[in-house]
Amino acid sequence: GAVVSQHPSWVICKSGTSVKIECRSLDFQATTMFWYRQFPKQSLMLMATSNEGSKATYEQGVEKDKFLINHASLTLSTLTVTSAHPEDSSFYICSAEGGEYYEQYFGPGTRLTVT
Amino acid sequence: GQQVMQIPQYQHVQEGEDFTTYCNSSTTLSNIQWYKQRPGGHPVFLIQLVKSGEVKKQKRLTFQFGEAKKNSSLHITATQTTDVGTYFCAGDQDSNYQLIWGAGTKLIIKP
Repeated sequence: GAVVSQHPSWVICKSGTSVKIECRSLDFQATTMFWYRQFPKQSLMLMATSNEGSKATYEQGVEKDKFLINHASLTLSTLTVTSAHPEDSSFYICSAEGGEYYEQYFGPGTRLTVT
Repeated sequence: GQQVMQIPQYQHVQEGEDFTTYCNSSTTLSNIQWYKQRPGGHPVFLIQLVKSGEVKKQKRLTFQFGEAKKNSSLHITATQTTDVGTYFCAGDQDSNYQLIWGAGTKLIIKP
């Protein structure tokens, strides 16, 4: 089946630094990828929709200058959390849309802790 | 690698019939979570199961976690049109801080 990977799986960084998270579709091409944020035992909150070769579409309330998204190829999208603060600590999940019926496949998530 | 297999991929039912989706992990899980995604929407958290053999109910939905903590199921009794959507399981492995997602089961109500 379709596989989506994320790297790193977890990261600890200092306040004020930037962190880049990669999302890759390993065995299919994804023109659309989604980035979510999740708190424990809560629903996935959509942050932005990433389309290959164009600018990402951000959800209301998500700062595009803080959460930089790049979808450079059909198999890779990156989310960079710039000038991270402790309140950015969370679980970030990506998903990639692909296959004959545009199914959505989820990555394993990246746990970010900002100290 | 670690996998969670979810079956079936699609299930067509008449309104009022029951629906079940199954998840099987290649490794033991610390817990398993279930989500529902409506058409055009995004995954909504339904429940988390933690204990071996655990069974939890939410109205017409029954969730089970296997004794070996490698499999789980979601059963919906007497489906309604509001149940339409894709149901995902996601297994949590503490040591890796990662969720391993099933591919989802799409519930379709026949007209």
